[in-house]
Amino acid sequence: AQSVSQHNHHVILSEAASLELGCNYSYGGTVNLFWYVQYPGQHLQLLLKYFSGDPLVKGIKGFEAEFIKSKFSFNLRKPSVQWSDTAEYFCAVIPYSSASKIIFGSGTRLSIRP
Amino acid sequence: DGGITQSPKYLFRKEGQNVTLSCEQNLNHDAMYWYRQDPGQGLRLIYYSQIVNDFQKGDIAEGYSVSREKKESFPLTVTSAQKNPTAFYLCASSNSGTETYEQYFGPGTRLTVT
Repeated sequence: AQSVSQHNHHVILSEAASLELGCNYSYGGTVNLFWYVQYPGQHLQLLLKYFSGDPLVKGIKGFEAEFIKSKFSFNLRKPSVQWSDTAEYFCAVIPYSSASKIIFGSGTRLSIRP
Repeated sequence: DGGITQSPKYLFRKEGQNVTLSCEQNLNHDAMYWYRQDPGQGLRLIYYSQIVNDFQKGDIAEGYSVSREKKESFPLTVTSAQKNPTAFYLCASSNSGTETYEQYFGPGTRLTVT
């Protein structure tokens, strides 16, 4: 079955540390890839997305993600985190075969120490 | 101001009662979705609808029902047959006319059944 794996369930960092959250998916065909973020008490919102072209995509608030097709990965990165980045982060995939059906990972909770 | 509204924010029900969660969007999106969010499990798809008067079961449809009589509305009924209904429920929509299928989320309804 198609699935998305986020291996880090809870990540704790200090401010200014670098961040990398892992995301792997199991689907051999063409995919659309997303990272969503859920700040405490707020809507789930799109952080960045990849459909085609440059595999390094930039999103809001200094986040970026790199699509590595050979590794079925779409890891999220930020060079220097801030306390306001405390949130839950979800990786998601839409396989082209599934029309609009999106598959979410289990999420990674990020806590930033001020 | 376009967006998705879900009401109420918090809902309490006694076991054995059916309850309906509201979801309305004014984004003119064709597709709408219902997810259930549980800690450590990410978002799981309950039902989705790509067009008015049509909907499909997601991964965990048992104990739930939906209707799509209007483009802007996609109510979810949690029936007494749902064995573990206490959860956070998220509604989303997307414009299925594009190739991107980016989903926009509502604020969610937290349902507690005792």
